[in-house]
Parts: sequence; structure tokens; C-alpha cells
Amino acid sequence: QVQLVDSGGGVVQPGRSLRLSCAASGFIFSSYAMHWVRQAPGKGLEWVALMSYDGGNEYYADSVKGRFTISRDNSKNTLFLQMDSLITEDTAVYYCAKTASFDYFDHWGQGILVTVSS
Amino acid sequence: EIVMTQSPATLSVSPGERATLSCRASQSVSSNLAWYQQKPGQAPRLLIFGASTRVTGIPARFSGSGSGTEFTLTISSLQSEDSAVYYCQQYKHWPPLTFGGGTKVEIK
Repeated sequence: QVQLVDSGGGVVQPGRSLRLSCAASGFIFSSYAMHWVRQAPGKGLEWVALMSYDGGNEYYADSVKGRFTISRDNSKNTLFLQMDSLITEDTAVYYCAKTASFDYFDHWGQGILVTVSS
Repeated sequence: EIVMTQSPATLSVSPGERATLSCRASQSVSSNLAWYQQKPGQAPRLLIFGASTRVTGIPARFSGSGSGTEFTLTISSLQSEDSAVYYCQQYKHWPPLTFGGGTKVEIK
């Protein structure tokens, strides 16, 4: 069955960097676009970034554009999110999510907490 | 950016009663609308896509309807395990993909 395992979270100071990973299994990873979605404590869901199945296209929310970079390694079935210049507003649980055919999310990772605090 | 507005923010319903959740889009998203259920401490779970297509394994008491700008998620006979926050999401016009603010369903 489809499994997405998020890792790499933790506590980081403002201005620093962090890299999240999402290990995928149970499906043909290289055939699907993948996303990162986040949820600030007690808040709703916010889409963060999308990478196409082949890594050829990437899209970002305005709130992270220029600071976050999504990437993937299809040989290792892994999705990444490089987060630079972190700010306190980036504090959230980050989920990787597999897209179905039309950019709704049919499977989610368990989520990983990122806390940006001095 | 398409703004998704959900109402009410909180819905308190007795077991066995019907729950009706609304989602409105700031412009037409056709039928490109999904619903998710999120329980505390868990990742969201996809319930409905294409506005009305139920995911395999989702109980038949969950149904979705609507198109354009007005959508509804109905839980026909609320069970205790349905206590959760429900989110709608449009995928017609992106980026960005956008979610509603959520409706919390409580068991009365």
C-alpha cells in the first residue's frame, strides 16, 4: 500500500535552514507529482509547493517563494523540501502528499513538526 | 488566487442526525473540488473528489454535491467517529492550490 514517511523536522532559529525528506513506497513514485502542505499550530491547511513527476516543473506558494526549494530523487523514491531563511511564521507541521490525477491529495505522510524559534 | 470559504466554523450535531457543511469558492472551480477529514493528531484523509465522487472505502453516509462556486458535504447519519475537522480544496485554478478554513464537527 502507499506509504509516505516524513522526516527532518525539529527546532531551528530564525534565519537558519532545514531540509525535510519524504520517503515514498507502494506506488510508482516517478509517475506522480508530489506536494508539500503545511499546517500551523491550531490552524488550517496551506499548500506550500509542488513538483511534477519528472522534476521538470515546480511551483510555490507566495509565502515561501524564493526561500524554499522542492526537489525529488526518483531513483530513491524521495521528495525533499529545502527551507532557507526560516521565519517564525514557518512554524508548522509539514506533510508530503501524493497527488491523484488532478491535483487533489490522495495520500499524505504522517507530518513532521518544524518549529522556528530563537 | 481562489478563496475558499467554509461555513459554519463549528457544527454540533446529535448522533444519527444529518450534518451539512458548506464550501464556497470566490470564482467558479467547476467540479474540481475535494473534501478531507482530519482528526486530532492525524494527517488529513481524502473523502470526496470531483465534488461528488466518494473515495473507495469511505462510508456511504458521506456525500458531496455542487459545482461552480457552491458545494456541500453531507453526513447523512452522524456517527461518533465522524467528529473531526473537514476541509474543502479547489484544484481548478493553480498555483496556488487552496483550502477552506475548515468546519469542526462536534458530536452533541
